[in-house]
Amino acid sequence: AQKITQTQPGMFVQEKEAVTLDCTYDTSDPSYGLFWYKQPSSGEMIFLIYQGSYDQQNATEGRYSLNFQKARKSANLVISASQLGDSAMYFCAMRPVNTGNQFYFGTGTSLTVIP
Amino acid sequence: GAGVSQSPSNKVTEKGKDVELRCDPISGHTALYWYRQRLGQGLEFLIYFQGNSAPDKSGLPSDRFSAERTGESVSTLTIQRTQQEDSAVYLCASSLKITGRSEQYFGPGTRLTVT
Repeated sequence: AQKITQTQPGMFVQEKEAVTLDCTYDTSDPSYGLFWYKQPSSGEMIFLIYQGSYDQQNATEGRYSLNFQKARKSANLVISASQLGDSAMYFCAMRPVNTGNQFYFGTGTSLTVIP
Repeated sequence: GAGVSQSPSNKVTEKGKDVELRCDPISGHTALYWYRQRLGQGLEFLIYFQGNSAPDKSGLPSDRFSAERTGESVSTLTIQRTQQEDSAVYLCASSLKITGRSEQYFGPGTRLTVT
């Protein structure tokens, strides 16, 4: 079975500080992709970062980095130098390559950046 | 158009009526996904299309839900005999390919309210 777990329903961070949003996953497929999306209050889903299961290095995209620990099946998102505009819902997703190609989403973490 | 478009943006319907939701994917994107997002919750997979292959309908919650896609273009999600529990935002996403880093690009969603 495929599963994504985000255990933090809500997080707060001070502006300019770093914050880590947790994500663990479960799949028997050895090949998979991990994704993070941001959903502001306006509702659109914005792609942030991708990590492939065979990638040797952790992915980085600007202020976003993905702390990929394959043995622990975790793919935490780190946002550095938080900005007020980072306040949003954040969803972790996984797509197993060999078993159906669905995207499986977590329940999300609501991040609030405090000025 | 640059992105995924969906119409209508909002739909209010009476219980028992049928509704059609439309999605225009990004040109050239072979994969198309439909999701349902209830208020304050994560994304629930409904169906996905990949080129001319048979769609993966495993997420459709009941036989009142159906979807079609013509080739690699427009898709329509139909909900028959709507119920109040169908009230949600329906999101469509498309992706260029389904291997490797193939992030989804989401449309703005259709907010469906069943009264």
